Amino acid sequence: DAKTTQPTSMDCAEGRAANLPCNHSTISGNEYVYWYRQIHSQGPQYIIHGLKNNETNEMASLIITEDRKSSTLILPHATLRDTAVYYCIVTLTDKLIFGTGTRLQVFP
Amino acid sequence: DTGVSQDPRHKITKRGQNVTFRCDPISEHNRLYWYRQTLGQGPEFLTYFQNEAQLEKSRLLSDRFSAERPKGSFSTLEIQRTEQGDSAMYLCASSLDPYLGQDYEQYFGPGTRLTVT
Repeated sequence: DAKTTQPTSMDCAEGRAANLPCNHSTISGNEYVYWYRQIHSQGPQYIIHGLKNNETNEMASLIITEDRKSSTLILPHATLRDTAVYYCIVTLTDKLIFGTGTRLQVFP
Repeated sequence: DTGVSQDPRHKITKRGQNVTFRCDPISEHNRLYWYRQTLGQGPEFLTYFQNEAQLEKSRLLSDRFSAERPKGSFSTLEIQRTEQGDSAMYLCASSLDPYLGQDYEQYFGPGTRLTVT
């Protein structure tokens, strides 16, 4: 079973920041938090990952709480092309265990 | 770098037939993963390879399923005596070796959609 809990769906207006939460209260000390997304009928796409510190790349920012029990993925300026299912995954270094993710709908 | 490729993209077969899918990973990636995804669900892990060695198999991978990566490059996933419950998207992913201290995020292919009639 997935080790994470995410809301089933969220909406976001185009151009606004999308903040996607994830709870992972049973995370162990050496497990990473990964975020992937899946646009309809495509393979999942890697977004970002982190261990303890906040991370930022060209796609998104990842904020991890100090106790590491939850995190937030931030898409700073959502576009219609960001409409997808977003998966938060806790893992060591091998297989990914996907939950059902958050379906993000970006509207004009 | 052309990314992970999978062939075929779509396969329709009759129950009881055997099917084989191919995955070509990113060339320098020594890890290769297979996942299965049914409608409305997230992908489920099936198995993975480190070079040519199959290191882990999920209990989802019944005796009818077999995966190979003979030369540590491309991989094949075969399903024997297909059943309607095998209808799904079969996804392949590849990554660098995490124990070499490199970035090891998984890159996914477009998937092979199998329909068993």
